[in-house]
Amino acid sequence: SAVISQKPSRDICQRGTSLTIQCQVDSQVTMMFWYRQQPGQSLTLIATANQGSEATYESGFVIDKFPISRPNLTFSTLTVSNMSPEDSSIYLCSVDSTSGSYEQYFGPGTRLTVT
Amino acid sequence: AQSVTQLGSHVSVSEGALVLLRCNYSSSVPPYLFWYVQYPNQGLQLLLKYTSAATLVKGINGFEAEFKKSETSFHLTKPSAHMSDAAEYFCAVSKGTPLVFGKGTRLSVIA
Repeated sequence: SAVISQKPSRDICQRGTSLTIQCQVDSQVTMMFWYRQQPGQSLTLIATANQGSEATYESGFVIDKFPISRPNLTFSTLTVSNMSPEDSSIYLCSVDSTSGSYEQYFGPGTRLTVT
Repeated sequence: AQSVTQLGSHVSVSEGALVLLRCNYSSSVPPYLFWYVQYPNQGLQLLLKYTSAATLVKGINGFEAEFKKSETSFHLTKPSAHMSDAAEYFCAVSKGTPLVFGKGTRLSVIA
């Protein structure tokens, strides 16, 4: 399994500002994923980030709002831009298993509140 | 597109009682199936997974799930609930990453 850390663990931000969330993995992984979990809801995939290529965004999510970087095989960032209260959510970083069983491992999440 | 449906957004059981959380998948070909647990203010932890080997899968913390192709189901069970089992449980499906999650079931355990 992989150990994943995220920074910050939580933040309270003003509307109109941006926040960058960092995700660090203790081993090299091919694919990293960013999910959003709105209050009381399930997880929704924002995008898939492969090292060396542009992230692939899911329907309803755009690069201008959620720019993603993947500079190497152990690190990624997600920026939430021009925030509004509707962006208040938990943002989770995830990586795929290298064992071929398609399971994913998750970071502890970043709890974002926009006021 | 593949999807999972979790029946019951909230399940409440007494301590020591059977836990049954329901999950049905939608896929023409049996996919990989997973159960994750999320404790309050924490990330997701893998409970167990089905990857086309044994249909009865045993996981951590005494949980198990049975894959039934005829019913397109992958229900999660535990014979005896503990207070520490109170959490949110998510069923997820994959035919290749990334995972697609159900809406989740909140399990409450009553003393």
